[in-house]
Amino acid sequence: GQNIDQPTEMTATEGAIVQINCTYQTSGFNGLFWYQQHAGEAPTFLSYNVLDGLEEKGRFSSFLSRSKGYSYLLLKELQMKDSASYLCAVRLHGSSNTGKLIFGQGTTLQVKP
Amino acid sequence: DGGITQSPKYLFRKEGQNVTLSCEQNLNHDAMYWYRQDPGQGLRLIYYSQIVNDFQKGDIAEGYSVSREKKESFPLTVTSAQKNPTAFYLCASSDGTGGTGELFFGEGSRLTVL
Repeated sequence: GQNIDQPTEMTATEGAIVQINCTYQTSGFNGLFWYQQHAGEAPTFLSYNVLDGLEEKGRFSSFLSRSKGYSYLLLKELQMKDSASYLCAVRLHGSSNTGKLIFGQGTTLQVKP
Repeated sequence: DGGITQSPKYLFRKEGQNVTLSCEQNLNHDAMYWYRQDPGQGLRLIYYSQIVNDFQKGDIAEGYSVSREKKESFPLTVTSAQKNPTAFYLCASSDGTGGTGELFFGEGSRLTVL
């Protein structure tokens, strides 16, 4: 079966840095995505990794190690609006960008003043 | 503006009734997806379609059916065989022609079965 694990909840302080980890064991791999989801809303795309290494996008960075089946999302200079759920997702099929995409359970981040 | 439109946003139905959720996209995307989200949980894949007139079961397809007769449309029917249909349903699409192929989501449909 497919397995994607993330911590259920995290708490951090405004202005700080937080790292949200994701480990995966899947039958295939064609990219890993991070999405942000505010309560009651649809997820929005944050980042994408398909090769090992770090991708940086403003206050958000994402890292991937395919050999370890591991990724993390790093959020810097936390703001109150960053309080949300963060979803890790893996695309399984190897030959298409339209393949099956499965999600972890999500990590609910609470940012405190 | 391009995007994905889901309707209705809120839906109440009695047990034993079938209900169809609409999903339309004008992004010219090849692939479309249906996910279900329960409180405090991640997204679980119901069905997905990589091309018109073709679709595959996801991880929780039992009690659901779909069709993909047009590129723009991917309706989901929740049948009476689905044991716990109350949930938040999200439709998404992705572009298979290049880029990352990230999912673009609709606003969701919240189904409550009374």
